[in-house]
Amino acid sequence: DTGVSQDPRHKITKRGQNVTFRCDPISEHNRLYWYRQTLGQGPEFLTYFQNEAQLEKSRLLSDRFSAERPKGSFSTLEIQRTEQGDSAMYLCASSPPRDAYGYTFGSGTRLTVV
Amino acid sequence: AQKVTQAQTEISVVEKEDVTLDCVYETRDTTYYLFWYKQPPSGELVFLIRRNSFDEQNEISGRYSWNFQKSTSSFNFTITASQVVDSAVYFCALVITQGGSEKLVFGKGMKLTVNP
Repeated sequence: DTGVSQDPRHKITKRGQNVTFRCDPISEHNRLYWYRQTLGQGPEFLTYFQNEAQLEKSRLLSDRFSAERPKGSFSTLEIQRTEQGDSAMYLCASSPPRDAYGYTFGSGTRLTVV
Repeated sequence: AQKVTQAQTEISVVEKEDVTLDCVYETRDTTYYLFWYKQPPSGELVFLIRRNSFDEQNEISGRYSWNFQKSTSSFNFTITASQVVDSAVYFCALVITQGGSEKLVFGKGMKLTVNP
């Protein structure tokens, strides 16, 4: 059990560029969540997958954001045409089938849009 | 509304002092789960405790203790004899069911600084 891995840890990008983040959950975890945390705030829910199905998307997730979990294992979060307001920490969490609330969080990807 | 309120935003103490972090929650669910997480400067969220609404017993784990009171919708966290390594941002969170799925709703966090 290596925990939830997120890559990259840090990303600096110019406004207007596209970025993609990756999350590798714990292998037997079927649920996967993305959260966004801006400076001085708590994490906010973005989206949720159960296996490969994306079951919910927050209103925070504009049409510039897309998330996938193609084989029910790793997930990617892509932001197109980044804006300065996208600067935040993007956290991934997963939980196992027998304990839906047994969340394990990754270390996050810190995005800075300049 | 279903939300978590952490009224304190920042506390600074001297090592060995006791400190209590307040958490007040609102939920319409009769069964619910509450959490505390620690976020050190490195950014990861470290799980501290989970408590369900059926279990109002207070819990102690080493220097950490939690006081859950349904009557006041509070789930407070006390660190006894604080240490410099306790310096971090602490989040209280609530699982809510909304939009067909369950997710965590976090408070804004409380930054604790423990000075030597």
